[in-house]
Amino acid sequence: EAGVTQFPSHSVIEKGQTVTLRCDPISGHDNLYWYRRVMGKEIKFLLHFVKESKQDESGMPNNRFLAERTGGTYSTLKVQPAELEDSGVYFCASSPSTGELFFGEGSRLTVL
Amino acid sequence: AQKVTQAQTEISVVEKEDVTLDCVYETRDTTYYLFWYKQPPSGELVFLIRRNSFDEQNEISGRYSWNFQKSTSSFNFTITASQVVDSAVYFCALREYGNNRLAFGKGNQVVVIP
Repeated sequence: EAGVTQFPSHSVIEKGQTVTLRCDPISGHDNLYWYRRVMGKEIKFLLHFVKESKQDESGMPNNRFLAERTGGTYSTLKVQPAELEDSGVYFCASSPSTGELFFGEGSRLTVL
Repeated sequence: AQKVTQAQTEISVVEKEDVTLDCVYETRDTTYYLFWYKQPPSGELVFLIRRNSFDEQNEISGRYSWNFQKSTSSFNFTITASQVVDSAVYFCALREYGNNRLAFGKGNQVVVIP
């Protein structure tokens, strides 16, 4: 069974540009989460989807970040316009109704 | 509010030595869950263990063992007879009951020297 997959694995963009990260959860997992780790700091919660609905988006840093999960399958996280402080590793995780979170390999974002 | 502290940032050990990673947590809830994840160089976060707040029994899994002490709010992780493949970042995390988000510590970078 395929795990959580994230794309791209690494993205390098310039300040002001737009980047879209994608996450494909494990098939059948209703819960999908985005987390972020900025260099040297904790992994921080960004938001949580249950199917296509945003259950909790209190961790989203500002309105430059937009997450979607159309159809309750894969999710995208768009950063527009990107700033230097957005650099970090963005993790996606999924879980069934109850149970452990399964994480992807992360998407590393570097903003120059 | 939930908070996890991993004080040691980088720990280097020689192969076959034991290494203990400290994790101290804060929560006002009486029911919560504690986790350890491993992040190898490939990048993904690999689940290692989950412990419920009402189960203080220590656990051993191969060379890994966990010591849960509610009295000191600690959930420490020991790798016995370390191997080079244990080199990774290890994260401790906390989730309060009824809350779907995990609170992570900053992680411990473990370097096992052959």
